[in-house]
Amino acid sequence: EAGVVQSPRYKIIEKKQPVAFWCNPISGHNTLYWYLQNLGQGPELLIRYENEEAVDDSQLPKDRFSAERLKGVDSTLKIQPAELGDSAVYLCASSLASGYEQYFGPGTRLTVT
Amino acid sequence: DAKTTQPPSMDCAEGRAANLPCNHSTISGNEYVYWYRQIHSQGPQYIIHGLKNNETNEMASLIITEDRKSSTLILPHATLRDTAVYYCIVRVRLDQGGKLIFGQGTELSVKP
Repeated sequence: EAGVVQSPRYKIIEKKQPVAFWCNPISGHNTLYWYLQNLGQGPELLIRYENEEAVDDSQLPKDRFSAERLKGVDSTLKIQPAELGDSAVYLCASSLASGYEQYFGPGTRLTVT
Repeated sequence: DAKTTQPPSMDCAEGRAANLPCNHSTISGNEYVYWYRQIHSQGPQYIIHGLKNNETNEMASLIITEDRKSSTLILPHATLRDTAVYYCIVRVRLDQGGKLIFGQGTELSVKP
C-alpha cells in the first residue's frame, strides 16, 4: 500500500514569491494534517482536516498561508508571499480519523533565499 | 496540554537494548502516551502507544509507571537502522482533537 505522497521533495524560491506543496494521503484516511518542522525541532501542527473541513487551523498564519482539501482527498498548502523565516520542512500526515495513528509523508524541504 | 521531558541524546551499542526514558508528570487520566521516531530526512514514524498497561509490538515495548508520570521505550536489540530522533508525546484528549504535540525528542545513536 502506498504511503503518504508529497511533492515536491525540495523547493528553492526567492523571498516574496509564492509556493505550493501537494499531499496525497493514504487511501481511506479521512484526517489530514500539515506540520511545519524547523531544523532541530519537532513538527508543529499547522492545520488538521476532517474530510474537506478544516477543524483546527489555529496555528496557521493566515496572512500568508492557506490550505485546501476540496474533495476530501488530496490537499495543497500555499504560502504567498514567502519570507526567509519560512525555510523549513513541511510535513503532511494522514490517519483513519482523529486520534488514530498518524502516518507521515517524507516532507517538502523549502529554502527561501 | 501535558508536556514531556526527554534527554536530548543517548548512545547505545548495536545488539544491546536501548531504553529511552520520558517524563510526563502532568499527564491526565485519559491521555495516551505515544512514541514516534524520525530517521534523518524522513517523516516521523509511529512506534507504539499506551494508556496504563505495558505494551509490546514488533518494533518496541512501552513500559508506563503505575502513577503514569513516566514511561520507557525499549528497543530490545538495537541496530544501526534504529539511529533516529525518538519523540515521546502525550496525545491531546480526543474531544479536543487528539492532536500530537511534539517536543525536541531524544537523538539515539546506535554504534557498532
